Amino acid sequence: DTGVSQDPRHKITKRGQNVTFRCDPISEHNRLYWYRQTLGQGPEFLTYFQNEAQLEKSRLLSDRFSAERPKGSFSTLEIQRTEQGDSAMYLCASSSSRSSYNEQFFGPGTRLTVL
Amino acid sequence: GEDVEQSLFLSVREGDSSVINCTYTDSSSTYLYWYKQEPGAGLQLLTYIFSNMDMKQDQRLTVLLNKKDKHLSLRIADTQTGDSAIYFCAERPGGYQKVTFGTGTKLQVIP
Repeated sequence: DTGVSQDPRHKITKRGQNVTFRCDPISEHNRLYWYRQTLGQGPEFLTYFQNEAQLEKSRLLSDRFSAERPKGSFSTLEIQRTEQGDSAMYLCASSSSRSSYNEQFFGPGTRLTVL
Repeated sequence: GEDVEQSLFLSVREGDSSVINCTYTDSSSTYLYWYKQEPGAGLQLLTYIFSNMDMKQDQRLTVLLNKKDKHLSLRIADTQTGDSAIYFCAERPGGYQKVTFGTGTKLQVIP
């Protein structure tokens, strides 16, 4: 399978705990994105990497959220001191800078439930 | 700021055409996209249109762009039950990679 993969697919945690999600993009893609999607809404952009550099970051990304892409391949998204409002589907996508229209390929998502 | 709006629900009979509408606010949008999301599946790009185009046709899909009114539509000809899904309109301004999605339109196809 050469698509975008995310791990874990589901995460249940208690309020106040830290969680970390992983995304493995399509191997030849140098761009990677994180989005958050809540029920009945479209995905909301969180952040974007080109190679290992984090180039765009949404105001939605509070200080409790941090994302890394240390070697320009896989990425991690960490949420510290989780709150119930963090419950959502976290989507990762990747694309190639060679695509002029920036087709983003999405992974299946990690569903986070904060109790 | 960017805002993308869509109607929430559309019901059509199998074989009819479906038209899903979208309005956006960012006049600097360079690319506009239509994505499809099926239950339990990831988002899939259906088609896109560049802002200097008025229309794009791709098999059963026709995208119309009215840049003056900031209105985008997706027409699906000969709608099939397999087209039942949520359709998201999205826009991306020039020079940025951030894509802003609408709330999605749930298309229900009645056999």
